[in-house]
Amino acid sequence: AQTVTQSQPEMSVQEAETVTLSCTYDTSENNYYLFWYKQPPSRQMILVIRQEAYKQQNATENRFSVNFQKAAKSFSLKISDSQLGDTAMYFCAFRGKKSSGDKLTFGTGTRLAVRP
Amino acid sequence: NAGVTQTPKFRILKIGQSMTLQCTQDMNHNYMYWYRQDPGMGLKLIYYSVGAGITDKGEVPNGYNVSRSTTEDFPLRLELAAPSQTSVYFCASSYDVPGGRIQPQHFGDGTRLSIL
Repeated sequence: AQTVTQSQPEMSVQEAETVTLSCTYDTSENNYYLFWYKQPPSRQMILVIRQEAYKQQNATENRFSVNFQKAAKSFSLKISDSQLGDTAMYFCAFRGKKSSGDKLTFGTGTRLAVRP
Repeated sequence: NAGVTQTPKFRILKIGQSMTLQCTQDMNHNYMYWYRQDPGMGLKLIYYSVGAGITDKGEVPNGYNVSRSTTEDFPLRLELAAPSQTSVYFCASSYDVPGGRIQPQHFGDGTRLSIL
């Protein structure tokens, strides 16, 4: 079974600075997908960024980028120029194509607070 | 497009009561999912469906039932509500082609359910 670990329950960052949220996972699969979802106080689950394991290039979406280290099974999220609206819970999620079927496996989340 | 719509947004049940959480999507997605999110935790998959007439258990299916008679609708039924089912429930959908790229899941706004 796949597991996803987020070792930072809470993080804090000053507005306009950069913060990195860590995520590690365990899998025996070679082809899979990784996601970061944001959950603001409104409770919506919003897709931030996705990475396909067979792609070596790290995904980037505006101020959000990932550091994907396949051998280390690490998938960290970097938020540059942090904004107050980035305050939210962030969940790392894994989805494989074989043994895990079609389900997303989530980590326990990191609560990010952006300070003005 | 409305995306994924869940009703109700909030509900309080007494122990032993039953209810159905409604979920509908207008994106013609073939895959649909039900998750629960307990306080301070990530999402756990209850049931999922890869198409009309097909459902399968996720990680925590006990105490729940689902049906998928149409592509659009994927209701979740609680037959005998228990305090352990107090949680926030999310419905999600995606369009996936077997063997193709995995697509991100689109989430509803959630239903907060309390069992007293």
